[in-house]
Amino acid sequence: DAGITQSPRYKITETGRQVTLMCHQTWSHSYMFWYRQDLGHGLRLIYYSAAADITDKGEVPDGYVVSRSKTENFPLTLESATRSQTSVYFCASRQGTINSPLHFGNGTRLTVT
Amino acid sequence: AQSVAQPEDQVNVAEGNPLTVKCTYSVSGNPYLFWYVQYPNRGLQFLLKYITGDNLVKGSYGFEAEFNKSQTSFHLKKPSALVSDSALYFCAVRDQWGRGSTLGRLYFGRGTQLTVWP
Repeated sequence: DAGITQSPRYKITETGRQVTLMCHQTWSHSYMFWYRQDLGHGLRLIYYSAAADITDKGEVPDGYVVSRSKTENFPLTLESATRSQTSVYFCASRQGTINSPLHFGNGTRLTVT
Repeated sequence: AQSVAQPEDQVNVAEGNPLTVKCTYSVSGNPYLFWYVQYPNRGLQFLLKYITGDNLVKGSYGFEAEFNKSQTSFHLKKPSALVSDSALYFCAVRDQWGRGSTLGRLYFGRGTQLTVWP
């Protein structure tokens, strides 16, 4: 089935380790996004991408790296995980027209110990 | 600057009663407005959107929303609530003419937890 999938669903890692969260979509949507969801903060945009090889920072990009070598994949890497990066991470995608809704994956719950 | 406010963290309503989840927004241009719902351990699901035209927008699961330009509001409504409507609801706005890197970016409210009791 077409859709947007995130992996892993759950991840526990230690402070200082590098971890990569995967996101794959089958719609060929041009735009992809990474959000983190934290109690009291709602959804905050980390990075987004308008097309392959085009990425831009969102509200909270520090400590994160993204790449988009293929339209369908948009991995998010925490270069050196910190406890403050414990969160639920959501990947989303949408078509190129500005009034298109976002389609979200089911999230990755990351715990940094 | 673009922003969205959901003034109520929680809304409680009895099954069968009408429900309203409030949202106000601030944009510099014309707004594109969205409502999403999130069930536990799931991603956000799109409910409805307002782009232009009729101020009353109908969406999924019997929900509707009313766009009020003078009050800069986009409240979500349902005539008769169901227990299964209990979830976290997010309002979001996109500025039609956002500048530079914010063009097309979606701004979310903090969410409103809706609880419908039997």
